[in-house]
Amino acid sequence: DTGVSQDPRHKITKRGQNVTFRCDPISEHNRLYWYRQTLGQGPEFLTYFQNEAQLEKSRLLSDRFSAERPKGSFSTLEIQRTEQGDSAMYLCASSSGSGRAYNEQFFGPGTRLTVL
Amino acid sequence: RKEVEQDPGPFNVPEGATVAFNCTYSNSASQSFFWYRQDCRKEPKLLMSVYSSGNEDGRFTAQLNRASQYISLLIRDSKLSDSATYLCVVGKLGGANNLFFGTGTRLTVIP
Repeated sequence: DTGVSQDPRHKITKRGQNVTFRCDPISEHNRLYWYRQTLGQGPEFLTYFQNEAQLEKSRLLSDRFSAERPKGSFSTLEIQRTEQGDSAMYLCASSSGSGRAYNEQFFGPGTRLTVL
Repeated sequence: RKEVEQDPGPFNVPEGATVAFNCTYSNSASQSFFWYRQDCRKEPKLLMSVYSSGNEDGRFTAQLNRASQYISLLIRDSKLSDSATYLCVVGKLGGANNLFFGTGTRLTVIP
C-alpha cells in the first residue's frame, strides 16, 4: 500500500497524559499536513510542512501541541497534558506540491483520540 | 464568517436520480477547489478537482463560478454506493497551502 499511513489508528488516554501520533506520507510527496476533525464538522487545518520545515501553524494549535518532521519524511504530532476537548480524529495528508495537482491532498486513515 | 459554507442536508434521493450540491466560499484569493467524499468514520478521499472551465468525470460534473464564489457538484444516475458525505474544499495559493473544508453534505441514495 503506497498511500498515507497513520499510527496508531485509535488511542484512548486519560486527561493529563501525553500522546504522540505518527504519519508516513506518500513517498514522493514533499508536503505534509495535519488536520483535526470532530463529529459533524469538516477537517480543520493544524499545521503544514514542506520537507522538514514547518511553514504554517493554525491558531488551533495551542502550546500543548507540537509537530515535527525531522528528516522530511514521516511526521509526529504530540499533544501534552491532554484535555477532553482534544478528543477528535487527527488526520494527516500529503501532496506533491508541484504541477497542476500541486494542492491535491491525500489523506491517511486518521488516528481517533479519546480523552477520558 | 466561515471560509466555506455548505448545506448539510441530508439529501435522500432514489437510485437513478440526479442530485446537485452547492457551496460558497468567502475568500476571493482562493485558487484551488475540490470535492472530497467521506464515508462514515473514514478519511476524506479526493473525488475531483474543480477547474474554472468546469470538469466532468463519468457521472460527476463540477462547476466553479469565481465571480459568485460558488462551486457545484452534480451527480447523475445516482448509485447506492454514492451514499456518503460530500465535502466542498478550497485552498489558497502561495505559502498558505492548507485547505478549508465545508461541514459536508450528507447524501443517502435509497433503493
